[in-house]
Amino acid sequence: EAGVAQSPRYKIIEKRQSVAFWCNPISGHATLYWYQQILGQGPKLLIQFQNNGVVDDSQLPKDRFSAERLKGVDSTLKIQPAKLEDSAVYLCASSFNRGDWQYFGPGTRLTVT
Amino acid sequence: GQQLNQSPQSMFIQEGEDVSMNCTSSSIFNTWLWYKQDPGEGPVLLIALYKAGELTSNGRLTAQFGITRKDSFLNISASIPSDVGIYFCAGQWRGTYKYIFGTGTRLKVLA
Repeated sequence: EAGVAQSPRYKIIEKRQSVAFWCNPISGHATLYWYQQILGQGPKLLIQFQNNGVVDDSQLPKDRFSAERLKGVDSTLKIQPAKLEDSAVYLCASSFNRGDWQYFGPGTRLTVT
Repeated sequence: GQQLNQSPQSMFIQEGEDVSMNCTSSSIFNTWLWYKQDPGEGPVLLIALYKAGELTSNGRLTAQFGITRKDSFLNISASIPSDVGIYFCAGQWRGTYKYIFGTGTRLKVLA
């Protein structure tokens, strides 16, 4: 069974630029999560999708972050404009259904200069 | 955002030693998960716990769901160099589908 795929693995941008991350979850998983992991901390949930609907985006900075999950499969997370404090690893995870075990992708390491 | 407290924050141990770490919260959780994260990779699930008092093993790893439902413990027996990494707990709040992660315990094994 293929795992959660993410791209790119690394991205360096200047502040005020925009960036997008892509995630392909495990086939058949209805729930998809985006987490932000700042160096030295645990993952922090940004947004959770159930199929193609948002069920929790309470910690998403909506003035600059957006995410979508078209057709309930792949998802993209966008930051526009980026700030220095957005430097982090962005992890995508999926689970068969809400509350089930979450399987993580390798993450995208973002550096904002 | 809120994170669970993990202890210790980091530890160096000798190969072959046993390791204990814990995760505590002021909130009650329905489920506890333990993950390991290697450098440059996403977290990998090690053990899942569903009932207060539950003790579950996965090879040399044993985890327990605390009786109060506010804590969990992970033990690694006879550590080996590949146990190096960061261990995260994650708790699922009662009545929700949301997981919150701990601050992590960084383990370094000296051969």
